[in-house]
Amino acid sequence: EAGVTQSPTHLIKTRGQQATLRCSPISGHTSVYWYQQALGLGLQFLLWYDEGEERNRGNFPPRFSGRQFPNYSSELNVNALELEDSALYLCASSHGTHNPSYEQYFGPGTRLTVT
Amino acid sequence: AQSVAQPEDQVNVAEGNPLTVKCTYSVSGNPYLFWYVQYPNRGLQFLLKYITGDNLVKGSYGFEAEFNKSQTSFHLKKPSALVSDSALYFCAVRDVSDSWGKLQFGAGTQVVVTP
Repeated sequence: EAGVTQSPTHLIKTRGQQATLRCSPISGHTSVYWYQQALGLGLQFLLWYDEGEERNRGNFPPRFSGRQFPNYSSELNVNALELEDSALYLCASSHGTHNPSYEQYFGPGTRLTVT
Repeated sequence: AQSVAQPEDQVNVAEGNPLTVKCTYSVSGNPYLFWYVQYPNRGLQFLLKYITGDNLVKGSYGFEAEFNKSQTSFHLKKPSALVSDSALYFCAVRDVSDSWGKLQFGAGTQVVVTP
């Protein structure tokens, strides 16, 4: 069974540009989660999508946005990039159906560097 | 509100010795508890979870964790550590009654196993 995949592996952007990160969940999973892992700040929850709807959002500004497609893949968009946005962005997926007992499975991440 | 504390930034242990990584949590209701491991430049891997039932949970790679409701703890243990267990370990909690609540991660504990 294929795991969660993310693309690209690395992304280099300049301040003020936009970045788009993509995630494909494990087959059969309907929930997709996005996390930011910046150096020294741990794992910060960004967004949660399930069945195409945004279910929860972390404490990030509106320039962090995303969507989930009918095939349950997802993309994360970061507008007006700032240097502090440099981080590893992790995508995870799980079964949905309102069951908080399901574990999340993580992809390898996209390393975003803003210069 | 829910929270997780991992009181040790780093745990050092000699190969072959027992390994313990501490985690305490706080939730309004009953918890679902998870442990994940992250190897350098990789995504998180699911190790084990506590949902209900037996307080001792067994997981992948010989790890186990003990749920203690009175102490609100969920410590990760391994009887005999391997050098390959050196990694970053995250504890996470979710409130059973909050269907769309996010998974709250601790700050992580770096485990270093020396030969």
